Amino acid sequence: QQPVQSPQAVILREGEDAVINCSSSKALYSVHWYRQKHGEAPVFLMILLKGGEQKGHDKISASFNEKKQQSSLYLTASQLSYSGTYFCGTAIQGAQKLVFGQGTRLTINP
Amino acid sequence: DAGVIQSPRHEVTEMGQEVTLRCKPISGHDYLFWYRQTMMRGLELLIYFNNNVPIDDSGMPEDRFSAKMPNASFSTLKIQPSEPRDSAVYFCASSLGPGPGYEQYFGPGTRLTVT
Repeated sequence: QQPVQSPQAVILREGEDAVINCSSSKALYSVHWYRQKHGEAPVFLMILLKGGEQKGHDKISASFNEKKQQSSLYLTASQLSYSGTYFCGTAIQGAQKLVFGQGTRLTINP
Repeated sequence: DAGVIQSPRHEVTEMGQEVTLRCKPISGHDYLFWYRQTMMRGLELLIYFNNNVPIDDSGMPEDRFSAKMPNASFSTLKIQPSEPRDSAVYFCASSLGPGPGYEQYFGPGTRLTVT
């Protein structure tokens, strides 16, 4: 079943923060985050595995709330290069494939 | 490494014609995934292979679609006959291991337009 992402779109000014959520009705084993720029392929950001860990690099981080079956992606002090569509991909225990959400379009303006 | 390679990058064809999309995964990657992306349906998994063997083709929309992986470095997705509703961007991705625990590397995609 497809995870639900929110918001569907967000517009920010450079330097502002953003949070993108990904929720599932099923018990999750892992959550992936990818970013896709217009006309390009999705690019991997990070994986979070069951256990509620938080990951991050640079000013992009993510958390995985196992109880809520929800993951959140945090972008702090956003840069123009952060613009694009963010997808979460989720997998349940035992699955070998991901199911992707509909995406969240992030626009960063100067 | 050159990354995942797909060809052609763009394909325009007429309804009823056969279309073949090609993919070369990253060397050493045991898993290969074919996705279709449209505005309406988002990014959908069509089929995936493990060590050249098709594991799950439940996402293949119809019998008009078929996929093969004759060796570790080459896969094809064929649509015969093509229809306008097949118009989409088709991505191939590869990974070292199963989807849940491993990063997927996407190719640049093939933009298919069926008129």
